[in-house]
Order: sequence, then C-alpha cells, then structure tokens
Amino acid sequence: ETGVTQSPTHLIKTRGQQVTLRCSSQSGHNTVSWYQQALGQGPQFIFQYYREEENGRGNFPPRFSGLQFPNYSSELNVNALELDDSALYLCASSREGTDTQYFGPGTRLTVL
Amino acid sequence: QKEVEQNSGPLSVPEGAIASLNCTYSDRGSQSFFWYRQYSGKSPELIMSIYSNGDKEDGRFTAQLNKASQYVSLLIRDSQPSDSATYLCAVNMGTDSWGKLQFGAGTQVVVTP
Repeated sequence: ETGVTQSPTHLIKTRGQQVTLRCSSQSGHNTVSWYQQALGQGPQFIFQYYREEENGRGNFPPRFSGLQFPNYSSELNVNALELDDSALYLCASSREGTDTQYFGPGTRLTVL
Repeated sequence: QKEVEQNSGPLSVPEGAIASLNCTYSDRGSQSFFWYRQYSGKSPELIMSIYSNGDKEDGRFTAQLNKASQYVSLLIRDSQPSDSATYLCAVNMGTDSWGKLQFGAGTQVVVTP
C-alpha cells in the first residue's frame, strides 16, 4: 500500500509570489484534505477535496485554492504570498465518509 | 469558536514511567477523536483513534474518552526515549463534517533516561 506523498519537500518564495504544492493520496483513498501548521501550533484545516470538488473550507482566504484530479491527487495553490504563510503544509488522505486522516511528509514553505 | 485545548508542556517523564496527556474539546457534536505523534520536523503520525466512551488500549498506549465531560486523554505506559515527541489531540469538526479535523496545539513529551 502506497502512502501519502507530497512535493516539493522545501520551498522558498518571496512575498507576493504564487506557489503550487502537490499531493498524491494513499492508495484506496479518494479524499484529500490540506492543513497548515505554523511553528509551535497544531495543524489548521484549510480545505478538503472529494470527487474533484471542494468539500468544506476552514478559515482561510480565497487566495488559498485547490484542485483534485481524477486519480485523487491534489494541488494547493497560494497566491500573493504573505510572510505569515510560512509554515508546514500537510496533505492528508482518507476514505470518503471517514474521519481518520493519514498525513504525508509535508512541504515546508518559507516566505521571505 | 470551537476549540481543542491541550497543555503545551513540556511534560518530563522518567524512562519506564507513565506519561499522561489530557485534551478538552468544545464541540459537543464531535464523534471521532484521535491522537497523533509528531517528531520534530516531521509530519503527524496516527497512534490512536477512539469513538466511544471508555478506554481503548493498543500496546503501550491507552486512550480514554468521556463525551459528557468533553475530555479525551492518552496514557503512555513504560515510556521510552523514542516516545519523546509532540502529541496532538484531534477531533472531527462535529456531525456531517467527516474527514475534517480540528487539532490542539500539542503537548511536548520528553522522556529522560
């Protein structure tokens, strides 16, 4: 069974730029959720994708957007990067209708 | 504002002793409860899930849930230095919110030889 994978591992951007992060779900999982984890904090729910549509969003502005593809992989896009966007971005996959989330290794984003 | 609260620690535990971690949550609609372990610089790893009131044991870990008190705890028996990590409590965001978790800030556990 293949686990959740994410790319890239690390990324450095400057304020105002745009970034795309990628995630492949665990085999057998059709739902992907994205979380942001700032240093010293717990992960914060950004949004979830199910059946290629957004299925719930946390308290994040519209410049955070995403996609899900037919193979259940997903992208997280962040426009107009701000310094506070510096964080570990976590992708988690699950089976539809279940709460158990399995996390990928994360992408560390640094905004300068 | 729905919240999940944990003591930040650090919780210092002698090797071989029991570590006790606590978590309270505010959303009475939450039905699923999880404990994740996170090593520094790594992603969260699921160690326990619990859905019903009472205790659930898995190896050296025991999760306890009391929905009336909105309280969930984790006991780590025979603590080992490899248990040194941050432990995150997570709850689902109420009914009809499957797959969406709200996390506490985590409790750092340090097991001393």
